[in-house]
Amino acid sequence: QSVLTQPPSASGTPGQRVTISCSGSSSNIGSNYVYWYQQLPGTAPKLLIYRNNQRPSGVPDRFSGSKSGTSASLAISGLRSEDEADYYCAPWDDSLSGYVFGTGTKVTVL
Amino acid sequence: QVQLQQSGPGLVKPSQTLSLTCAISGDSVSSNRAAWNWIRQSPSRGLEWLGRTYYRSKWYNDYAVSVKSRITINPDTSKNQFSLQLNSVTPEDTALYYCARELAAAGTGIDYWGQGTLVTVSS
Repeated sequence: QSVLTQPPSASGTPGQRVTISCSGSSSNIGSNYVYWYQQLPGTAPKLLIYRNNQRPSGVPDRFSGSKSGTSASLAISGLRSEDEADYYCAPWDDSLSGYVFGTGTKVTVL
Repeated sequence: QVQLQQSGPGLVKPSQTLSLTCAISGDSVSSNRAAWNWIRQSPSRGLEWLGRTYYRSKWYNDYAVSVKSRITINPDTSKNQFSLQLNSVTPEDTALYYCARELAAAGTGIDYWGQGTLVTVSS
């Protein structure tokens, strides 16, 4: 069981905005950077957001991250069919001395 | 361009040792900027970080609490690769295993992943 909670699913129509939450604690989100990963079916996870809200080169600006207290969020604006994937948050956890992954959220484009 | 190529058996018997290797191209296992991680994924446990090795004037390791008593991650500078050993495996260790690079010094996340190795623990 993960120490980070995400909604199991989220959905939207093309063009809509979808937000995914990640709820943690003071030992992980509350005191460390949050990273977000996108996993397309049958592939390895891909880094989407680092340091809470930074996008690696090549990641569209439709993806944005934020953090407040012990929670973090990933927003996808202008939803596209290729955004159908699983999304995971992953901060370092000081109590566990390691990275922890969220439970994952499956995004469906209706 | 960094590439990580995983190798190792896909079937391990219960109580034996799971061994995987990750060969690095485009970077160095001895890099002062990077950390070299092992992560696994299974339907029951989701994505699970297992541990990492990195060099900062000397070698360091961090291991997940859940596997700390059973895991070893070693660098091999002569072959520019790193390995995972997980002892006393049970069917619960059946998972897709990934090696991955993290630019830990910059805090920019895990940016390169291996292709994944499906390991089944079964007699």
